Amino acid sequence: GAGVSQSPRYKVAKRGQDVALRCDPISGHVSLFWYQQALGQGPEFLTYFQNEAQLDKSGLPSDRFFAERPEGSVSTLKIQRTQQEDSAVYLCASSFPNQETQYFGPGTRLLVL
Amino acid sequence: AQTVTQSQPEMSVQEAETVTLSCTYDTSESDYYLFWYKQPPSRQMILVIRQEAYKQQNATENRFSVNFQKAAKSFSLKISDSQLGDAAMYFCASGDTGTASKLTFGTGTRLQVTL
Repeated sequence: GAGVSQSPRYKVAKRGQDVALRCDPISGHVSLFWYQQALGQGPEFLTYFQNEAQLDKSGLPSDRFFAERPEGSVSTLKIQRTQQEDSAVYLCASSFPNQETQYFGPGTRLLVL
Repeated sequence: AQTVTQSQPEMSVQEAETVTLSCTYDTSESDYYLFWYKQPPSRQMILVIRQEAYKQQNATENRFSVNFQKAAKSFSLKISDSQLGDAAMYFCASGDTGTASKLTFGTGTRLQVTL
């Protein structure tokens, strides 16, 4: 079927605004990951879901970052009171259970002015 | 904690030639996976090849192969018969086994392919 999709592809926000980034994983993938990729860097882990359960949020940089996956499929990453340092590409990835290979979406490029 | 190091920020190869991208890693895990992902300008991360650490045989996918040296914690990617479409950022990544296997990425190597 279709791959991982993310929306919006680009988001410009004024400092202090709240943003919501959406991820639609591949159908049947129970594992979902969010990564943050700063300019010129490799992706860094933010958080992980297995179905609707958020099992690891150790990579979230502050309490302004919040992620949810209420029905175990679509996930939303929310950033409150955005700061300039939040500017990055946010990547979503999904995988089957007990499968180590993650499949990535195209990412959302967030620019905070 | 895992760390992944890519010491080559940029590499260049002529079309049809062979190039090797380097990667070293560190992990305290006894079992783990290693990956090479390709990221073209569209930003979509595409899996190139993966290696299970418990397997001694080096993984191969068409023109892509790895040289996995477990004792040295080295995991290099060889691209044979390079094509213009191979131009991209290449990221080396490691992950534990199991469903909660978050990936740890290196800083990437930008590969240019020239005519």
